[in-house]
Amino acid sequence: AQSVTQLDSQVPVFEEAPVELRCNYSSSVSVYLFWYVQYPNQGLQLLLKYLSGSTLVKGINGFEAEFNKSQTSFHLRKPSVHISDTAEYFCAVSGGNTPLVFGKGTRLSVIA
Amino acid sequence: DTAVSQTPKYLVTQMGNDKSIKCEQNLGHDTMYWYKQDSKKFLKIMFSYNNKELIINETVPNRFSPKSPDKAHLNLHINSLELGDSAVYFCASSQDLARISPLHFGNGTRLTVT
Repeated sequence: AQSVTQLDSQVPVFEEAPVELRCNYSSSVSVYLFWYVQYPNQGLQLLLKYLSGSTLVKGINGFEAEFNKSQTSFHLRKPSVHISDTAEYFCAVSGGNTPLVFGKGTRLSVIA
Repeated sequence: DTAVSQTPKYLVTQMGNDKSIKCEQNLGHDTMYWYKQDSKKFLKIMFSYNNKELIINETVPNRFSPKSPDKAHLNLHINSLELGDSAVYFCASSQDLARISPLHFGNGTRLTVT
C-alpha cells in the first residue's frame, strides 16, 4: 500500500519569495505522483503530475516539482509566490491496485 | 460549463435524518468517486464507480449508499445521519480507472449535522 507524508502543515511566506512544499511517499511498487491545489470553498485542481520520464515536471501557475526516487520525495517549488497562491496543497500517490492516496495537506499562506 | 457539479453546496440537517447529494459530470469520463474531507482537511476515498459498476467501497458505514444511474451521475444517499458525518463531501471523476488519470473534482457539499 502507498502512503504520503507532507512534512509541513502550514507554510507562511512573503510575497515574491520562493517556496518549497515537501512531500515524501512510501510504496512497494512503481508510483505515479500528483500535486493538487484547493482554493477556499472549492474542489481540488490538478497542479502537476509525474508519470515517467524527466524527473522535473512543470505545472500550472509557475509551479514545478522534482521526483527523487532515492529519497522517495516529490517536493513542490515556486520561485516567486503571489498572494493568489494562498491555498491548501495536497500531494497524492497512486500505483498498483490502490486508488489515489492523499497527504494531509499543506496550507500555504502568502503574506503581502 | 461546470465539469463536475454537485448539489447542494450546503446541507444542514438534524441527527437521524436521511439526505442525498447529487453529482453530475459532463466530461465523458468513465469513472466517478466520492471523497470525504474532514475538519482537518484530510481527504479519504469512500466509493468509486466505473461505468455504473461499483469498484471501490472503502470501510464506510452501510448508512452510506451510492447510486449511479448512468456513467455521468453518481449520487450519495446517507441514512440516519450522525454528528460524525459532518464534513465536506467531494465528487470527482477521471477518464478511466488507470492510475495515471488525474481526478476532476466538484466544489464540494458541506454537510453539517446538528
